[in-house]
Amino acid sequence: DGGITQSPKYLFRKEGQNVTLSCEQNLNHDAMYWYRQDPGQGLRLIYYSQIVNDFQKGDIAEGYSVSREKKESFPLTVTSAQKNPTAFYLCASSSGLGYEQYFGPGTRLTVT
Amino acid sequence: RKEVEQDPGPFNVPEGATVAFNCTYSNSASQSFFWYRQDCRKEPKLLMSVYSSGNEDGRFTAQLNRASQYISLLIRDSKLSDSATYLCVVNLNNWLAEGSTLGRLYFGRGTQLTVWP
Repeated sequence: DGGITQSPKYLFRKEGQNVTLSCEQNLNHDAMYWYRQDPGQGLRLIYYSQIVNDFQKGDIAEGYSVSREKKESFPLTVTSAQKNPTAFYLCASSSGLGYEQYFGPGTRLTVT
Repeated sequence: RKEVEQDPGPFNVPEGATVAFNCTYSNSASQSFFWYRQDCRKEPKLLMSVYSSGNEDGRFTAQLNRASQYISLLIRDSKLSDSATYLCVVNLNNWLAEGSTLGRLYFGRGTQLTVWP
């Protein structure tokens, strides 16, 4: 059953803590992405990776970090430097940059 | 100017109606075009790609107008289950000395559709 998984579905953290969101894909896609979506807003690109061991900042990378050590995995760390971390985080993958993307079910992060 | 712009709506239509959404994009060299559907509190899902000649998938028709830099989505015979937010997606090319390569995708903010009985 091919697809993208994200865990957990809901995550609650106290302010000042770093938190890591998981994203795994078994679609054999080279490219992976992290987006953030706030209520009533569009998707905003945080980071993306075209190949293993390489990634680029998106439009709102400040306060976030990523790694791409394996093709299947692209975890996102929300650091304490991110000023408004509460949001819906979506991971996606595609066969290459510019091709259709497939999304995971998302993680809702609440920081209080 | 934003890379991709959509009318946010909302569009409220009765079952059986025909509804059309338009989307404009800023990069004349864009090569990839898609429509996604996003249900409330869910992830976006690919609805259809948009090809130069236009394409149809059941009740859904997508068209591309390169001269005016817009794409459209037509939904015929609307169903209650069509209620969702529809996202217009366009790529931005990377320009290189030897030509261009497909660049990242940009998502519009979405057009909200509600179909009522």
